[in-house]
Amino acid sequence: EDQVTQSPEALRLQEGESSSLNCSYTVSGLRGLFWYRQDPGKGPEFLFTLYSAGEEKEKERLKATLTKKESFLHITAPKPEDSATYLCAVRDGGATNKLIFGTGTLLAVQP
Amino acid sequence: ETGVTQTPRHLVMGMTNKKSLKCEQHLGHNAMYWYKQSAKKPLELMFVYSLEERVENNSVPSRFSPECPNSSHLFLHLHTLQPEDSALYLCASSQRQGAWADTQYFGPGTRLTVL
Repeated sequence: EDQVTQSPEALRLQEGESSSLNCSYTVSGLRGLFWYRQDPGKGPEFLFTLYSAGEEKEKERLKATLTKKESFLHITAPKPEDSATYLCAVRDGGATNKLIFGTGTLLAVQP
Repeated sequence: ETGVTQTPRHLVMGMTNKKSLKCEQHLGHNAMYWYKQSAKKPLELMFVYSLEERVENNSVPSRFSPECPNSSHLFLHLHTLQPEDSALYLCASSQRQGAWADTQYFGPGTRLTVL
């Protein structure tokens, strides 16, 4: 069964303290791994798509990496405005573009 | 955040009420989706529409009834809901359904409370 597990559930960082979020997945035929950011009371905002092991993508203080079993979202020198829930999702090998989501990591960055 | 809009943003309804959620996408996409997001649980896919045709119904109870009159609009009709249906309902759209890793873009959601 396709599954996505994110860790930790919650992470509290001081401003400037770099860290990483983990997304482990099992899926039959990965057709894309997605990272989203979700602020309270809002819908998920698209960040990155990764397609194959070894791929990396960056956006400001965020960098996403992918292996055959997991993805990491590295946050370098975070700021309070980076506080949000970060969601990971994988697209399964079926025909309906179905995304399997994890439960997310709630990140709090304190000034 | 004007690519996908949802109304209303908040809705409180009794178990005997009938209400509808509306989603509109301004991205020229051909596929639209309804998701349910409950606390501490992953987003759950409810329905998928491609070119106004339903292509997936993810074992959703019949008290939820989707409607897609055209590729820009999606509705979720609600009737005789239960308190456990209280959640954030999210609409999403993508350029094509079934395409390789097509990105889904989400609306802001409707926070539904069933009393």
